[in-house]
Amino acid sequence: EDKVVQSPLSLVVHEGDTVTLNCSYEVTNFRSLLWYKQEKKAPTFLFMLTSSGIEKKSGRLSSILDKKELFSILNITATQTGDSAVYLCAVALPTLISNFGNEKLTFGTGTRLTIIP
Amino acid sequence: DSGVTQTPKHLITATGQRVTLRCSPRSGDLSVYWYQQSLDQGLQFLIQYYNGEERAKGNILERFSAQQFPDLHSELNLSSLELGDSALYFCASSVAPTRESGNTIYFGEGSWLTVV
Repeated sequence: EDKVVQSPLSLVVHEGDTVTLNCSYEVTNFRSLLWYKQEKKAPTFLFMLTSSGIEKKSGRLSSILDKKELFSILNITATQTGDSAVYLCAVALPTLISNFGNEKLTFGTGTRLTIIP
Repeated sequence: DSGVTQTPKHLITATGQRVTLRCSPRSGDLSVYWYQQSLDQGLQFLIQYYNGEERAKGNILERFSAQQFPDLHSELNLSSLELGDSALYFCASSVAPTRESGNTIYFGEGSWLTVV
């Protein structure tokens, strides 16, 4: 069974701290790994990673994928209260091998990050 | 704003009833996905449609069904509702991906269903 595991489940840090969120996966036919931020409702897209060792960066957020060790990390530097959210990791898996458009996302349970002012 | 529109935002209904949730994907997106998020289960994939055709099924109950119409909007029908069906139902959409672009999926704001 395909599995995506995130750790820690919950994290509370002070504003200005740096955090690292972890995502490991055991899946067949890996296509890509995606990170989402969920505040109140809709998960909002952060990064998509397909290649090992290439860091994706957006402002204070960055992420990298290790396809050999089957994990990804999401780093947030100089955290702000607006970073408080649930961070979701998802792996895109094919539903039909023949067509790259047929995919579903399997999500981890998320890491709840709370930033204290 | 992701560009994915879902209605209604909130819905309260009684057990045994039937409801329809509606989704308009982002302009140009051909794929529509439905996900269920409950407190104890996290985000669970239900079903995917691509250009009007069902492409993938996840953990979707037989009491639930979906369709995608020629204008690409989609509806999720939930019938014989039970208390345990109370959840946030998300619609998401994506363009037809290539191996280079991957498959970035964008989520709507969700429809919060409460069954009483």
